Amino acid sequence: KAGVTQTPRYLIKTRGQQVTLSCSPISGHRSVSWYQQTPGQGLQFLFEYFSETQRNKGNFPGRFSGRQFSNSRSEMNVSTLELGDSALYLCASSPLQGSSYEQYFGPGTRLTVT
Amino acid sequence: DAKTTQPPSMDCAEGRAANLPCNHSTISGNEYVYWYRQIHSQGPQYIIHGLKNNETNEMASLIITEDRKSSTLILPHATLRDTAVYYCIVSNYGGSQGNLIFGKGTKLSVKP
Repeated sequence: KAGVTQTPRYLIKTRGQQVTLSCSPISGHRSVSWYQQTPGQGLQFLFEYFSETQRNKGNFPGRFSGRQFSNSRSEMNVSTLELGDSALYLCASSPLQGSSYEQYFGPGTRLTVT
Repeated sequence: DAKTTQPPSMDCAEGRAANLPCNHSTISGNEYVYWYRQIHSQGPQYIIHGLKNNETNEMASLIITEDRKSSTLILPHATLRDTAVYYCIVSNYGGSQGNLIFGKGTKLSVKP
């Protein structure tokens, strides 16, 4: 099976712009979670989607949003980018909702905000 | 906040066993212990998980103390490719919270 794929792998944006990141889960996986990783805060949970519905949300401002499509692919959007949004954004998929076991992570999208 | 405590770093000689400790003194009865690792510039990789019995798979062994307040991940024959940050996480198995709460982990350096 192909693993979790994320596009793009690298992205440079300017403050105030918005960005959309994409994640394709492993075939058959219906849950997609997003995480932000920074040197200062480490890995932090953003949100989880299952069957096109957001099931859980971390402690991030409303500028961070996401959605999931009927084929389980997911996108996350960050509006009005700030310098502090520079991070590695990781997507993880798993077969079931709320399944914190065996989450399979993609390689991440490295976002740089200038 | 993470519910686990891990040493920030450890060294291990190539070919020797790497024993990574984790304290989780506030673990509740329905919480599992999970281990993930993150090799530089890659996404985290699931290693193993367990509830109260010791577990073994092709990657590692997980030893959980009888009171479940601590555990040890064992890589039996560490290689240079095992150099990574190892995260110990406690979480509900299949619970409503589908997120993993990562702490700072242990940076394992395997040296030749």
